[in-house]
Amino acid sequence: QQPVQSPQAVILREGEDAVINCSSSKALYSVHWYRQKHGEAPVFLMILLKGGEQKGHDKISASFNEKKQQSSLYLTASQLSYSGTYFCGTELYNNNDMRFGAGTRLTVKP
Amino acid sequence: EADIYQTPRYLVIGTGKKITLECSQTMGHDKMYWYQQDPGMELHLIHYSYGVNSTEKGDLSSESTVSRIRTEHFPLTLESARPSHTSQYLCASSELRRNEAFFGQGTRLTVV
Repeated sequence: QQPVQSPQAVILREGEDAVINCSSSKALYSVHWYRQKHGEAPVFLMILLKGGEQKGHDKISASFNEKKQQSSLYLTASQLSYSGTYFCGTELYNNNDMRFGAGTRLTVKP
Repeated sequence: EADIYQTPRYLVIGTGKKITLECSQTMGHDKMYWYQQDPGMELHLIHYSYGVNSTEKGDLSSESTVSRIRTEHFPLTLESARPSHTSQYLCASSELRRNEAFFGQGTRLTVV
């Protein structure tokens, strides 16, 4: 039931863009995105609730394709502070839990 | 700032001991979760609860138990600690569904 994330790791230069994908084999009720820095707890970025709806957080945005059960996180003009591991969390229609993908490790270099 | 607290932050314990990891939140959230995470790795769901007296098992629940007697408190108990339990344990809470989850700072457990 865990979502599948790709890629596993990304290395960027400051100012470059990145896309992180999250997909599920089951119908999604919602998709959450979190960022975790080394030695810290995950921090909420945004939640996607309906098909095709995009949310934004500074220069980070996301989309949710309800038909494909996929979500993508877009990081635009990346900053050093974007470095960390990004996790998508998914809620399904028929249960109350939230499960996370394996994470995408993002490294932004000067 | 999230009001969810975990104690202890660090624990080193011998094999076979019984331990309880504490998690409390002051936000009145109905949903609470326990996750296990090795450094830099994915979060594995251990147990979750959607209200008082309701608990459900996740993927790694076989060697631990939880209780939810009060809304704000969701302790995790390992009956007999083993070296394979060495990991970080994260507690989280949210308001029912489709709401952001707030994470505690975690308990880093080492079983020797």
